[in-house]
Amino acid sequence: EADIYQTPRYLVIGTGKKITLECSQTMGHDKMYWYQQDPGMELHLIHYSYGVNSTEKGDLSSESTVSRIRTEHFPLTLESARPSHTSQYLCASSEDTQYFGPGTRLTVL
Amino acid sequence: RKEVEQDPGPFNVPEGATVAFNCTYSNSASQSFFWYRQDCRKEPKLLMSVYSSGNEDGRFTAQLNRASQYISLLIRDSKLSDSATYLCVVNDYKLSFGAGTTVTVRA
Repeated sequence: EADIYQTPRYLVIGTGKKITLECSQTMGHDKMYWYQQDPGMELHLIHYSYGVNSTEKGDLSSESTVSRIRTEHFPLTLESARPSHTSQYLCASSEDTQYFGPGTRLTVL
Repeated sequence: RKEVEQDPGPFNVPEGATVAFNCTYSNSASQSFFWYRQDCRKEPKLLMSVYSSGNEDGRFTAQLNRASQYISLLIRDSKLSDSATYLCVVNDYKLSFGAGTTVTVRA
């Protein structure tokens, strides 16, 4: 089993709130990723990082931001949540093979 | 053109059947390849890596055809528990995921 964790697992929040989705891994991986996935749809890469102080935007434009101050930690922040942000957010880390966290299911009312 | 393309299915098969499907990739320089399995509303999990010589893991066989730029997954003696979406993943300078092939095994 991969040692990658996400909190919260489920979040229901009102429009306009600031939220931070947490992701941490204990495998010492340099590479970390955030994906967005709607039910029954494909994964979309929204952010990635190849190490501390390195962050890049992914293939899908997102209003979220990320930071990578520590190797093990890669939080994602939405400054002002909107209903269009409702989705599942999956964090992953890798050396060669990519391992996924359990995901955060976000609902914005 | 997408970097990784898969037949979305669904492939509906009876228990015990063999099911196989392919995934094509566009970058001939891609270095490594994987199959992931994703159950409904769960995270993707690594099923197997795909080696140049082809490899087998129990009832699952993966093949790589570099000349035609595709990988394949074959499931023998399919079980109800094999029902899932199978994601093809290709690694060039970054990991590219296919949209997935859905397999449903019926009793």
